[in-house]
Amino acid sequence: GQQVMQIPQYQHVQEGEDFTTYCNSSTTLSNIQWYKQRPGGHPVFLIQLVKSGEVKKQKRLTFQFGEAKKNSSLHITATQTTDVGTYFCAGRKAGTALIFGKGTTLSVSS
Amino acid sequence: DAGVIQSPRHEVTEMGQEVTLRCKPISGHNSLFWYRQTMMRGLELLIYFNNNVPIDDSGMPEDRFSAKMPNASFSTLKIQPSEPRDSAVYFCASSLSGGAGYGYTFGSGTRLTVV
Repeated sequence: GQQVMQIPQYQHVQEGEDFTTYCNSSTTLSNIQWYKQRPGGHPVFLIQLVKSGEVKKQKRLTFQFGEAKKNSSLHITATQTTDVGTYFCAGRKAGTALIFGKGTTLSVSS
Repeated sequence: DAGVIQSPRHEVTEMGQEVTLRCKPISGHNSLFWYRQTMMRGLELLIYFNNNVPIDDSGMPEDRFSAKMPNASFSTLKIQPSEPRDSAVYFCASSLSGGAGYGYTFGSGTRLTVV
């Protein structure tokens, strides 16, 4: 079945450093979404990418969708303590529900 | 809107007991999803409904699990009998049009502990 893999599983950074998480799918995706889950919370939708090679930015966050629509990345510039949490990518093929990666848990020390 | 509402927030039950989890999606959303989250397996899709009709239940672990959506504003996930390995956080989420072009809105989850 469809699988979505994320690396790394954990990442610790000093405040101000950059952070990147990578997502790979075993199949071509119709779109990919990113979510953030704070400790003890629930996943919150961040963004959706649809087009091959698409790049979107939200303030310090940059999201990319690969040319083959099988991989994606999230890059955070100059991390802050408020960025702490687990970042999930989730992919879907047409007509199916989202399949989530296992997430990358980010911790930030000040 | 109050968002996706799940109840109860926490449930502790003994092995063998029946457990019912409840979800009220966002008004106007026509797709509803049940996910289970554990450290080992991450977020697993259990079942999803579109316009109250189950579309994909291939993630439902076994016959002990069942889900219903009798109307557009209510869904239940039932486990009978419950087992310790069912302990997890169960999330309900809703979206417009199966999430195509829209993100999922998750509820706060039900933390289930089976002892």
